[in-house]
Amino acid sequence: AQSVSQHNHHVILSEAASLELGCNYSYGGTVNLFWYVQYPGQHLQLLLKYFSGDPLVKGIKGFEAEFIKSKFSFNLRKPSVQWSDTAEYFCAVNADAGNNRKLIWGLGTSLAVNP
Amino acid sequence: GAVVSQHPSWVICKSGTSVKIECRSLDFQATTMFWYRQFPKQSLMLMATSNEGSKATYEQGVEKDKFLINHASLTLSTLTVTSAHPEDSSFYICSASPLGGETQYFGPGTRLLVL
Repeated sequence: AQSVSQHNHHVILSEAASLELGCNYSYGGTVNLFWYVQYPGQHLQLLLKYFSGDPLVKGIKGFEAEFIKSKFSFNLRKPSVQWSDTAEYFCAVNADAGNNRKLIWGLGTSLAVNP
Repeated sequence: GAVVSQHPSWVICKSGTSVKIECRSLDFQATTMFWYRQFPKQSLMLMATSNEGSKATYEQGVEKDKFLINHASLTLSTLTVTSAHPEDSSFYICSASPLGGETQYFGPGTRLLVL
C-alpha cells in the first residue's frame, strides 16, 4: 500500500539552528509532492510543492525541499529557523498524479523553536 | 489567491441532530473538493472526495449515509453529519483543487462538539 513516513515526530531547536525534516514515500510511479504547514490555531498552508523539473524546490518563508527519486524522499530544509517557524509540518504525496488529486499524508512533525 | 472558507467555524449540537458544514472556494472554481477529519495531535484522515455534479467517493470505513456530501456548484460543497453522536466530535477540514490544478488549498476547519 502507498504510504508516507515522516521520521521525526517531535523536533526542538533553538533559533538560528538548521532544520531538516525527513519524508519518504512508497510508490514507484509518477508523484506530486507537497509540504504543508499548520501554525498554532491556524489552517493548513502550502509551503512548497514538486511536480516536475528541478528537484530542488523553494517555498515560502525560506523553506526548500529536495526530491531524490532514487531514495523516494522529499526532505524539507531551512538553514536558519525562527521562533515563528514553530508549527506542525506535514508531508503529502499524490501517488497517482494526473489521474486524481487524492493525497496520502504523513503523520506530521511537530517543530518547536526556542527563542 | 486560492482562498477556501468554511462555515461555521465551530458548532455545538445535541446528540441525534444533524449538522451541515459548508466549504466554499472564494476566488477560484473547484471541480474537486475533499473532506477530512483531524484528530488531536494526528494527521488528516480523508473522508471523501467530492466532485461537482457527481456522487462523492467515500474512503473505506466512512459511512456515506451518515456523512452526506453535496457538491452542487464549482464553488460550494457541503458536509452534513446526520444524527450526530459524541464520537463524531472532531475537527472537520475541507480542501479544494482549482480546475485543472493538482494542489489542494485548505479551509480553516470546523470544530464540531456533539453533547
